[in-house]
Amino acid sequence: DAGVTQSPTHLIKTRGQHVTLRCSPISGHKSVSWYQQVLGQGPQFIFQYYEKEERGRGNFPDRFSARQFPNYSSELNVNALLLGDSALYLCASSSIGQGGRETQYFGPGTRLLVL
Amino acid sequence: TQLLEQSPQFLSIQEGENLTVYCNSSSVFSSLQWYRQEPGEGPVLLVTVVTGGEVKKLKRLTFQFGDARKDSSLHITAAQPGDTGLYLCAGSSASKIIFGSGTRLSIRP
Repeated sequence: DAGVTQSPTHLIKTRGQHVTLRCSPISGHKSVSWYQQVLGQGPQFIFQYYEKEERGRGNFPDRFSARQFPNYSSELNVNALLLGDSALYLCASSSIGQGGRETQYFGPGTRLLVL
Repeated sequence: TQLLEQSPQFLSIQEGENLTVYCNSSSVFSSLQWYRQEPGEGPVLLVTVVTGGEVKKLKRLTFQFGDARKDSSLHITAAQPGDTGLYLCAGSSASKIIFGSGTRLSIRP
């Protein structure tokens, strides 16, 4: 079975532009989470979607939005890009296991560079 | 605001030595995960600990969850160059997963 896939792998944009990142979860997983990882830091939680509904939101501005489709794939959109948005954007899909415990599996990420 | 602090931030040791990495918080987590991340890749889950005081072993790696479920440690015995990478702890609470800033481990042959 394929793991979590993300596209594109790399992206270069300029300030003020808009970007859409895509994620396909592991087959059978209904939850997708998005993280931003700036160089030298741990991932920061942006959003979690479960069954196409937003389940959680991190401390990010409204320029960041996401959605989940009926096939459980997801898009992360960032408007009005800033230099500080340059980062590795990670998608994780998860299943709910024993006792409601969630295990997240990460994709390889999309590296975004804003010039 | 929930925070997870990892220490040390950087660690460079000789092959064959032992090491311990710490993950501390003032918050209680329902579970805690340890990941390893290599350059250009996403984090890979190593272990999940759930019960206070729980100890899990994965070959030469030993993971412990604090009794109060606020902290955790990762101990590596006889480190090998293949252990090199960024080690991240992450705590689960409500609908969020909070990551620590990571410990960058380098094992010299």
